[in-house]
Amino acid sequence: AAGVIQSPRHLIKEKRETATLKCYPIPRHDTVYWYQQGPGQDPQFLISFYEKMQSDKGSIPDRFSAQQFSDYHSELNMSSLELGDSALYFCASSLDVADTQYFGPGTRLTVL
Amino acid sequence: GQNIDQPTEMTATEGAIVQINCTYQTSGFNGLFWYQQHAGEAPTFLSYNVLDGLEEKGRFSSFLSRSKGYSYLLLKELQMKDSASYLCAVRDGGATNKLIFGTGTLLAVQP
Repeated sequence: AAGVIQSPRHLIKEKRETATLKCYPIPRHDTVYWYQQGPGQDPQFLISFYEKMQSDKGSIPDRFSAQQFSDYHSELNMSSLELGDSALYFCASSLDVADTQYFGPGTRLTVL
Repeated sequence: GQNIDQPTEMTATEGAIVQINCTYQTSGFNGLFWYQQHAGEAPTFLSYNVLDGLEEKGRFSSFLSRSKGYSYLLLKELQMKDSASYLCAVRDGGATNKLIFGTGTLLAVQP
């Protein structure tokens, strides 16, 4: 069965650079969630989209922005990167807001 | 505030049964999920409870008591590949049902 696709899988950036992470949800899933997981920590909710509209916002820095496009894929844009942004970034999708969330393989971002 | 507690680490023997507990205090509740996560990989969905009681899926079972804010994940016939972190997550019932995760329990299965 098709799963959530994330790209790139690994990304290395310098401080103050920008990064764009992409997420392709499971076909027919219209809800996308972004989570950040620091080393040894639990995933923290960043932001979510339902039917191409932002539906909720968590502990996402103002330096980050995201959107969901007409084909339901989503992009997380991160600017002025800081060392503390180094983490695993997971995207999850669900059939709708009431359904189980299925996670992608994650993007490992390293900021040097 | 949101508070989800799990034991940090557990050790069990191959072939045995292990129970991982989770207690929660959250402002909203619309179901409790258990995910398995191997180091550096994505959380994988294991089970889901929204009503009180036991849900069984093969070697995995999960129990929920909403009045006590308590859940457990039961793993039977442990295999070495079950060594992983187990995350308890509450769906908060807000506009988007985002997941609030506990800190996870690192399970080590020994021969």
